[in-house]
Amino acid sequence: DAGVIQSPRHEVTEMGQEVTLRCKPISGHNSLFWYRQTMMRGLELLIYFNNNVPIDDSGMPEDRFSAKMPNASFSTLKIQPSEPRDSAVYFCASSPPDREGYTFGSGTRLTVV
Amino acid sequence: SQQGEEDPQALSIQEGENATMNCSYKTSINNLQWYRQNSGRGLVHLILIRSNEREKHSGRLRVTLDTSKKSSSLLITASRAADTASYFCATFTGGGNKLTFGTGTQLKVEL
Repeated sequence: DAGVIQSPRHEVTEMGQEVTLRCKPISGHNSLFWYRQTMMRGLELLIYFNNNVPIDDSGMPEDRFSAKMPNASFSTLKIQPSEPRDSAVYFCASSPPDREGYTFGSGTRLTVV
Repeated sequence: SQQGEEDPQALSIQEGENATMNCSYKTSINNLQWYRQNSGRGLVHLILIRSNEREKHSGRLRVTLDTSKKSSSLLITASRAADTASYFCATFTGGGNKLTFGTGTQLKVEL
C-alpha cells in the first residue's frame, strides 16, 4: 500500500483565493481525519469521518472551511476564501476500525500571502 | 485544546545515551499512543499502550503508563542520530472517539 496520499505537497496562494486539499486514505481504513499543524497551536483536529460520514467538525475554525468525503477513497478540505492565518501544514490521516494507530500522509504545506 | 503535555519540550543527547520523554494528560483514556515526526514529514505511529497496561516494549522503545497519575513515559535506549525527531503522545478517549495530540518533545541526538 502506498500509504495515505495527500496533494498537493505545497500550495502558495493569494489571500481570498479558494484552496482545495486532497487526500486518499489507505484502502480498508474506515476513518479519516484532517489535522492542522502550526508552531503556535500544535496539531489540531479539524474534522473526522467515519464510513464517509462527518462525525465531529467542532475543530473546523470557521465557515470558510469545509470538508467532504464522497467515497471511501477520497476526501477534500476546502478553504474559501483563504486568509494568511490559514498558513499551516495540513495533514490527513486514516485508521482502521480498531483505531489502534493512525497513518498520516506527508502533509500539504499551505502558504497564503 | 491539547490533551497531552510533553516534557521536556526539547532534549539534546549524545548517540548511545538513553532518551526519556514524559507525557501528562487530563481525562480518562482508552489508550495512549506515541508518534514520531521527522522534520517536514507526517507523523509515524510508534507504539500503543492500553489503559489496563502498565508497560510495553517494542525494539529500543519502552513505554510506561500510570493512569493514577495520568502520565506516560517513552524511553528510547541506545539512541542513534536517526532518532532525531519530534515525539508526540496522543490519547484516545472512547467517548470522543478521536485521537488528541500533545505538544511534542523535540529530540536531537548528536554524534
